[in-house]
Amino acid sequence: GESVGLHLPTLSVQEGDNSIINCAYSNSASDYFIWYKQESGKGPQFIIDIRSNMDKRQGQRVTVLLNKTVKHLSLQIAATQPGDSAVYFCAEIGNEKLTFGTGTRLTIIP
Amino acid sequence: NAGVTQTPKFQVLKTGQSMTLQCAQDMNHEYMSWYRQDPGMGLRLIHYSVGAGITDQGEVPNGYNVSRSTTEDFPLRLLSAAPSQTSVYFCASSYSTSGVSTDTQYFGPGTRLTVL
Repeated sequence: GESVGLHLPTLSVQEGDNSIINCAYSNSASDYFIWYKQESGKGPQFIIDIRSNMDKRQGQRVTVLLNKTVKHLSLQIAATQPGDSAVYFCAEIGNEKLTFGTGTRLTIIP
Repeated sequence: NAGVTQTPKFQVLKTGQSMTLQCAQDMNHEYMSWYRQDPGMGLRLIHYSVGAGITDQGEVPNGYNVSRSTTEDFPLRLLSAAPSQTSVYFCASSYSTSGVSTDTQYFGPGTRLTVL
């Protein structure tokens, strides 16, 4: 498969452990945030979103935390599985502009 | 539903050649867009459309043209390819009719383009 982002930050996690992926956003006016997962050779896939009037949102095995004070977003994946190996990136919408982050490569150690 | 489909999956061009990247969706989405993805950079918006007959420029439109004659199709044209256009191109669609979609965007599998 293709390699998207040859110099991405990487995170290696033991299978079964929890993963935490971080994202710092730039626009204090951003009011909507999205996490995407991108597997090798595929397009980005929506995971979970959160609006700025919330500080936490939970999905299936995933939780997104938003700290507006320090403009920080995190994605927590519980009980990481081999299928979670991918590049994860956040996106923010503010002032009618959608901006994507560069991403973090998550590698699962068997 | 097939979702968002893109063709070709891979393409090699010589400088100055032209080509069209195809994108189609079968979800009856109004909003469609084209992004390019380069190493070390986030996805960057090239062009977008909020409905048939309506297109607008994104962040990096130079060197690219688009048209939207039907709801389903949104082709991206490179009129005279340059090495700087070597990238992976993604098409996306969503229900939203606003200029910046807060609705879930569905991405195609991408086209990997190399310009020599």
